[in-house]
Amino acid sequence: AQRVTQPEKLLSVFKGAPVELKCNYSYSGSPELFWYVQYSRQRLQLLLRHISRESIKGFTADLNKGETSFHLKKPFAQEEDSAMYYCALRDSGGSNYKLTFGKGTLLTVNP
Amino acid sequence: NAGVTQTPKFQVLKTGQSMTLQCAQDMNHEYMSWYRQDPGMGLRLIHYSVGAGITDQGEVPNGYNVSRSTTEDFPLRLLSAAPSQTSVYFCASSQREGGYTFGSGTRLTVV
Repeated sequence: AQRVTQPEKLLSVFKGAPVELKCNYSYSGSPELFWYVQYSRQRLQLLLRHISRESIKGFTADLNKGETSFHLKKPFAQEEDSAMYYCALRDSGGSNYKLTFGKGTLLTVNP
Repeated sequence: NAGVTQTPKFQVLKTGQSMTLQCAQDMNHEYMSWYRQDPGMGLRLIHYSVGAGITDQGEVPNGYNVSRSTTEDFPLRLLSAAPSQTSVYFCASSQREGGYTFGSGTRLTVV
């Protein structure tokens, strides 16, 4: 079974501070990990895929298979980063397309 | 290129009524899915489809039906609405590789 855990429901930081949103997963196969962002009352948008290893809006995330983690990091938070962040997992091979989400972390960046 | 289009954006139903939430994508994606989003619960998979004519149940399928007669469309039917189905519903689509594209959501209230 696929499981994604985001241990923090809420995270509050000040503008300019570093931010780390935690994500741990449980999956016996070969996982593909994603981060999605949802701004207030909008649709989910893809932020990062671990396969692409790119940085979007200053955010990065590294897949750590040993610790089964995919934490999202940004060195200097901005007010416009305030949003709900979801970590998600699916099988990277085969025909299992199911995307399993964590429960999300609401990030608030204070001025 | 509209991406994933969901209609309606808002709906109020009385308990026991039925309705269909529409979802269409114009990206020729094989995989489509329906999620419901509830506070503190993240996104939970209701039903999904890996291609026309093929559907399967997700995590919370009870009270919902789906069909996939074409690649483009994946409607979600509520058979007899209940207050517990008050939620925001998101449709998403994907190719074999890459991230998922989400619709803008349908906010459903059952009274």
